Amino acid sequence: AQTVTQSQPEMSVQEAETVTLSCTYDTSESDYYLFWYKQPPSRQMILVIRQEAYKQQNATENRFSVNFQKAAKSFSLKISDSQLGDAAMYFCAPWGDQGGKLIFGQGTELSVKP
Amino acid sequence: DAGITQSPRYKITETGRQVTLMCHQTWSHSYMFWYRQDLGHGLRLIYYSAAADITDKGEVPDGYVVSRSKTENFPLTLESATRSQTSVYFCASSPVASGYTFGSGTRLTVV
Repeated sequence: AQTVTQSQPEMSVQEAETVTLSCTYDTSESDYYLFWYKQPPSRQMILVIRQEAYKQQNATENRFSVNFQKAAKSFSLKISDSQLGDAAMYFCAPWGDQGGKLIFGQGTELSVKP
Repeated sequence: DAGITQSPRYKITETGRQVTLMCHQTWSHSYMFWYRQDLGHGLRLIYYSAAADITDKGEVPDGYVVSRSKTENFPLTLESATRSQTSVYFCASSPVASGYTFGSGTRLTVV
């Protein structure tokens, strides 16, 4: 079974600054994917970025990048040049265990100060 | 319109009533999922389906029933609603490895 831990229930960042959200996971799978989802106040779940575990290169999507440490089972999300619209709940989710189920962490609520 | 649609958006029902939440996707994705989201618990998987006529339990299936007679539809039924089932329910679909796409959610209140 997979477990996911997001150890920071809340984070705050100044607009235009950089913030890193942490995630650790446990899985028995050798080949899997990792995802970060964003949930703004509208409650819509939005895919931010994904990482294939077999790739050594860290994924990047515009201002969002990950630091993937496979041996440590760590998958942190870095948001550069933070914007007010980045304020949301962020969920880490590994995928690969038994039939495509995403297991979500508890989430980190990010606030962005102007 | 292409996408994944949940209905209703909001629902209030009474304890003991049966209620069905609808989910429809237009991509013909194989996988579909139902999650519930509660404060302090994140998103928890209720049921999922790998294809039409194939369903399986997730983490919190008790009190819920699903069916999937067609690939595009995956309704979730609460057989006898309880107050503990007050939650926000999300449906999602996936072609397997490219990440889920979520519906907009249904806020269900059981009084």
